[in-house]
Amino acid sequence: QVQLVQSGSELKKPGASVKVSCKASGYTFTSYAMNWVRQAPGQGLEWMGWINTNTGNPTYAQGFTGRFVFSLDTSVSTAYLQISSLKAEDTAVYYCARGSTGYSGYDAYFDYWGQGTLVTVSS
Amino acid sequence: QSVLTQPPSASGTPGQRVTISCSGSSSNIGSNYVYWYQQLPGTAPKLLIYRNNQRPSGVPDRFSGSKSGTSASLAISGLRSEDEADYYCAAWDDSLSAPSWVFGGGTKLTVL
Repeated sequence: QVQLVQSGSELKKPGASVKVSCKASGYTFTSYAMNWVRQAPGQGLEWMGWINTNTGNPTYAQGFTGRFVFSLDTSVSTAYLQISSLKAEDTAVYYCARGSTGYSGYDAYFDYWGQGTLVTVSS
Repeated sequence: QSVLTQPPSASGTPGQRVTISCSGSSSNIGSNYVYWYQQLPGTAPKLLIYRNNQRPSGVPDRFSGSKSGTSASLAISGLRSEDEADYYCAAWDDSLSAPSWVFGGGTKLTVL
């Protein structure tokens, strides 16, 4: 069965960096896109972008350029989200979500989700 | 504010039928499929409806989706206590400046 298992909660100080992992199992990792979705406390869902797991090419949504980096280690079927220069407003739960196809876009919906990783930024 | 508009809350009693609306524009709902996700308290979102009205295997037929023009709806019939959750609509937005996935702000469903 398809599973996405994310790394545990993180508590970071402003200005630090964090790297969240998302380990996939139960399917061919490089055949499906990986998306990242943010949910701030008590708020809705916000798409951050996606990474092509076949080529490693990332695409970032508006508002998620510069400090956010998507990467892969296909040898261990794992996707990563790194956030640098953390700010208090980065406090949120970050989800990885598998795309239903190899790309993200029309009809490439999110069919499986990780359990989420809470990143708290506080001094 | 979210690109797609949902009512912040909805409620019903067990056995009732409730609907949740989702309003968008020509660049998202008007030209692309609508998806619905269910987020039970303290858990990750789960795909509930895809391609406007299709249910993934395992989703009860009490859940149904529809779309007309630039709006969509999720209907839940035979409401049960375990349906108490947040519901989000989503669609691909073909905006020329920045194509992206967009979500509604979510609707908190309370089973009275």
